[in-house]
Amino acid sequence: AQSVTQLDSQVPVFEEAPVELRCNYSSSVSVYLFWYVQYPNQGLQLLLKYLSGSTLVKGINGFEAEFNKSQTSFHLRKPSVHISDTAEYFCAVSERSGGGADGLTFGKGTHLIIQP
Amino acid sequence: KAGVTQTPRYLIKTRGQQVTLSCSPISGHRSVSWYQQTPGQGLQFLFEYFSETQRNKGNFPGRFSGRQFSNSRSEMNVSTLELGDSALYLCASSSIATGGANSPLHFGNGTRLTVT
Repeated sequence: AQSVTQLDSQVPVFEEAPVELRCNYSSSVSVYLFWYVQYPNQGLQLLLKYLSGSTLVKGINGFEAEFNKSQTSFHLRKPSVHISDTAEYFCAVSERSGGGADGLTFGKGTHLIIQP
Repeated sequence: KAGVTQTPRYLIKTRGQQVTLSCSPISGHRSVSWYQQTPGQGLQFLFEYFSETQRNKGNFPGRFSGRQFSNSRSEMNVSTLELGDSALYLCASSSIATGGANSPLHFGNGTRLTVT
């Protein structure tokens, strides 16, 4: 079974500053990796995904993430944040084999707080 | 294209009662997954239905059940409610069964269930 650890439960950042949200995963098999965002009172929206190929993945709203297999990490970054980026961010993993029998496994989430 | 629709948005029930939540997936999507979101446990996978068949199930007691109809709409039922069942229940649809590379989940805004 896989697991996901998001190292920070809350990250405060000033507007227009860069941000990195950290995610580490554990799995005995190859995985697909995802980042989702949840705005207040809404469901989750896919930001980006890593399937294969280039380890640097670009997503919506200026976010990108880098897959590091040796460190089993998939950190999310944005060079300059806006107030509208205030939200909860979830890292998730799905095993390539077995058809995702356990569904997506999510981390506990990181609350990104943008300060003016 | 309409998104994933969950009804009702809010629900208040008493311990011991049962509840049914509804989810209408994006048109053409045949897979519906359910997740429970709580502050303590985060997002936890409940089950997935694909073409009216339960494909995968998470680690939840038998009080949690679901079904999917021929039009892909899905319902989730919780019997003998407990205080700990208070949560945001999220439904997600995808065009193919989850676990595949090209099956990102599209989430609804959730049903917030409060058990008193």
